[in-house]
Amino acid sequence: GQQLNQSPQSMFIQEGEDVSMNCTSSSIFNTWLWYKQDPGEGPVLLIALYKAGELTSNGRLTAQFGITRKDSFLNISASIPSDVGIYFCAGQLSVNSGGSNYKLTFGKGTLLTVNP
Amino acid sequence: DTGVSQDPRHKITKRGQNVTFRCDPISEHNRLYWYRQTLGQGPEFLTYFQNEAQLEKSRLLSDRFSAERPKGSFSTLEIQRTEQGDSAMYLCASSRGLAGSETQYFGPGTRLLVL
Repeated sequence: GQQLNQSPQSMFIQEGEDVSMNCTSSSIFNTWLWYKQDPGEGPVLLIALYKAGELTSNGRLTAQFGITRKDSFLNISASIPSDVGIYFCAGQLSVNSGGSNYKLTFGKGTLLTVNP
Repeated sequence: DTGVSQDPRHKITKRGQNVTFRCDPISEHNRLYWYRQTLGQGPEFLTYFQNEAQLEKSRLLSDRFSAERPKGSFSTLEIQRTEQGDSAMYLCASSRGLAGSETQYFGPGTRLLVL
């Protein structure tokens, strides 16, 4: 089945530093999503990417959908303590032909710790 | 929109007991999903509904698991004869829109502990 490789597994940074994390897949996805999850809570959507090559920003967050449709990255600029959490990438086939095209396949997450 | 809600937030049960979880999606979202998440892993897909129709079930969904969405609004996930391996966070998500433009929004999850 499809698998997403997310790296790094964890990061420990100083407040104010920039952060980069990425996700690669053995298969093509037509939608890439990035979520953040706090302990004991559900994932919260950060950025959605629907087109290969697309670069999208949400405040200090920027994400790109790789041209090959097999990868995506997320950058966080000028990190702050509240950025602490687990970041997940997720891919979706999202083709209107039924079957398993709507389910999300998740990476294992990147644990981000920000030292004030 | 008030967001996806799940009930209960936490459940502790003894092995062999049955448990049922409820999910209320964002209103007017026609698709509803169930995922399971274990410690240190990303969520894994279990099943999804479009309106009241259950369109896909993962191999993870054993015969002890059953999900319903009788009126195309809220959904329930029941686990019969629970096992310790069922301990996990059960997440519900909902969405609407066409393929290639839809986004899944998650609820806070139900954390299950089977003793």
